[in-house]
Amino acid sequence: EAGVAQSPRYKIIEKRQSVAFWCNPISGHATLYWYQQILGQGPKLLIQFQNNGVVDDSQLPKDRFSAERLKGVDSTLKIQPAKLEDSAVYLCASSLEQGSSYEQYFGPGTRLTVT
Amino acid sequence: KQEVTQIPAALSVPEGENLVLNCSFTDSAIYNLQWFRQDPGKGLTSLLLIQSSQREQTSGRLNASLDKSSGRSTLYIAASQPGDSATYLCAVNGNYQLIWGAGTKLIIKP
Repeated sequence: EAGVAQSPRYKIIEKRQSVAFWCNPISGHATLYWYQQILGQGPKLLIQFQNNGVVDDSQLPKDRFSAERLKGVDSTLKIQPAKLEDSAVYLCASSLEQGSSYEQYFGPGTRLTVT
Repeated sequence: KQEVTQIPAALSVPEGENLVLNCSFTDSAIYNLQWFRQDPGKGLTSLLLIQSSQREQTSGRLNASLDKSSGRSTLYIAASQPGDSATYLCAVNGNYQLIWGAGTKLIIKP
């Protein structure tokens, strides 16, 4: 079974530029998560989708971050414009369904450096 | 609000030693607790998941315990190997969301 795929693996941009990350979850997984992990910290949930609907985006900085999962499969996370403090690893995870009993599976992440 | 703490932030031990990593949480109303491993440049790998009704889980040289009443979990690694070098994170699952510790960076010296 293929795991969660993410691209690109690394991205370096200047502040005020825009960037987009892509995630392909495990086939059949209805729930998709985007996390931000700043160096030395644990991951922070940015947004959670159930199929193509948003379940939780309370920690997403909506003035600059946006995410979509139009067909309930792949997802894109965008930052526009980027700030220095957005430098982090962006992790995508998926689970079969939402709920605490369903294990989350993580992709390799995208390391973003904003200069 | 749930808070998860992992101490120490970093640990270096000689190969072959047994070691314990600690995780504490403030709210005992949890569904389960997971231990993850993170290697540089890679994603998170789930090591062990303990349901709230369980006291411990074992996988190979790893043993994780859970004491909800005291808000603590430990990850025991037996006979450590250089390949065990990584950052270990615990995450508490409650209210449909994972709350993470900052991790313990483990270095096993050959």
